Amino acid sequence: GAVVSQHPSRVICKSGTSVKIECRSLDFQATTMFWYRQFPKQSLMLMATSNEGSKATYEQGVEKDKFLINHASLTLSTLTVTSAHPEDSSFYICSALESGQGAGTDTQYFGPGTRLTVL
Amino acid sequence: KQEVTQIPAALSVPEGENLVLNCSFTDSAIYNLQWFRQDHGKGLTSLLLIQSSQREQTSGRLNASLDKSSGRSTLYIAASQPGDSATYLCAAPNSGNTPLVFGKGTRLSVIA
Repeated sequence: GAVVSQHPSRVICKSGTSVKIECRSLDFQATTMFWYRQFPKQSLMLMATSNEGSKATYEQGVEKDKFLINHASLTLSTLTVTSAHPEDSSFYICSALESGQGAGTDTQYFGPGTRLTVL
Repeated sequence: KQEVTQIPAALSVPEGENLVLNCSFTDSAIYNLQWFRQDHGKGLTSLLLIQSSQREQTSGRLNASLDKSSGRSTLYIAASQPGDSATYLCAAPNSGNTPLVFGKGTRLSVIA
């Protein structure tokens, strides 16, 4: 199956700093990528949809100025958590969409996640 | 908007038991549904993907069924083992195919 990588896998930062997380599709091109967030013992919640060459679409309640998304190429999307605070500590998982042939054949492949801890 | 519910939230069984995890979804206009496994503190492992044209899908000791008309899916695990202990997540698309909307998961513990 297709492979999606994330970097870094784990990051600890001080409150007020910015953190960038990279998501790469290694063996396919992804026009669309998704960013999810998972708090402890909670499920994955979609934060935003990242589209190559255009602005990201954010879910209700997600601050676009705090979570900056850049999808500058067909294999790379980045999520920058700006002015991070302890409440931003979470597990961030990206997903890249591989287009299939025919309706309903697109497949989401998930990265291994990035654990962010803000002190 | 798609909503996915999983029951039970947690389950503890002795080794060797067969078990069923339940998933329900509100929007049945989906092309497929997926089951994932998540080990503690780790990412997702895709277990089974069921296309809307299929009624079930099997992989080893796992069998997933899909009933679109009733908005339900089940994951059946046969002869459970301690290594099956993990959180199992059901995910259905928000509209048609993507993006996936996840349930809260069932946390499974298989006791040796």
